[in-house]
Amino acid sequence: AQSVTQLGSHVSVSEGALVLLRCNYSSSVPPYLFWYVQYPNQGLQLLLKYTSAATLVKGINGFEAEFKKSETSFPLTKPSAHMSDAAEYFCAVTDSGNTPLVFGKGTRLSVIA
Amino acid sequence: GAGVSQSPSNKVTEKGKDVELRCDPISGHTALYWYRQSLGQGLEFLIYFQGNSAPDKSGLPSDRFSAERTGGSVSTLTIQRTQQEDSAVYLCASSLSYYGYTFGSGTRLTVV
Repeated sequence: AQSVTQLGSHVSVSEGALVLLRCNYSSSVPPYLFWYVQYPNQGLQLLLKYTSAATLVKGINGFEAEFKKSETSFPLTKPSAHMSDAAEYFCAVTDSGNTPLVFGKGTRLSVIA
Repeated sequence: GAGVSQSPSNKVTEKGKDVELRCDPISGHTALYWYRQSLGQGLEFLIYFQGNSAPDKSGLPSDRFSAERTGGSVSTLTIQRTQQEDSAVYLCASSLSYYGYTFGSGTRLTVV
């Protein structure tokens, strides 16, 4: 069975600083990995996905993530934080198209001016 | 439609009452998922539909919860005899494949 652990329920960064959100996964087969973002009172929006192609995946809003197989991790990064990046971020994993996504508990990102 | 639509957006109900939550997926999306989001708990999987059948309903927390999907489209999640611990945001998503789900904005259920 798959599982996801997001390290840090709350991360705070200054505007313009590097954003780094951590995600560790457990999967018995090569995983498909996703990052979603949730703004207040909205549903989840797909940021990016890893589906066994390039290990470095670029997403929307300047975010990217690197599939690190040896570390079983999939950290999300952005070189320079904007105030508009403040939201909840969720990492998710599945092992096939027939298995529902398993989500982490989320990391709330705050951006300080 | 253009996106996944959920109704109502907010629902306040008295303990012991039944509630129905509706999800209208993107047209043509064969898979439909229900998740529950509680504060600080992330997203908890409830049930998954492929077409009108539910190959995986392992996440339904009790027999008070049920769901159906008709015509390969609209889905209804029903909670009978609601309890206060059922208070949460119920999210629906649809997809064509595992290449990413499209989520609705959710139904915020409050049981008083």
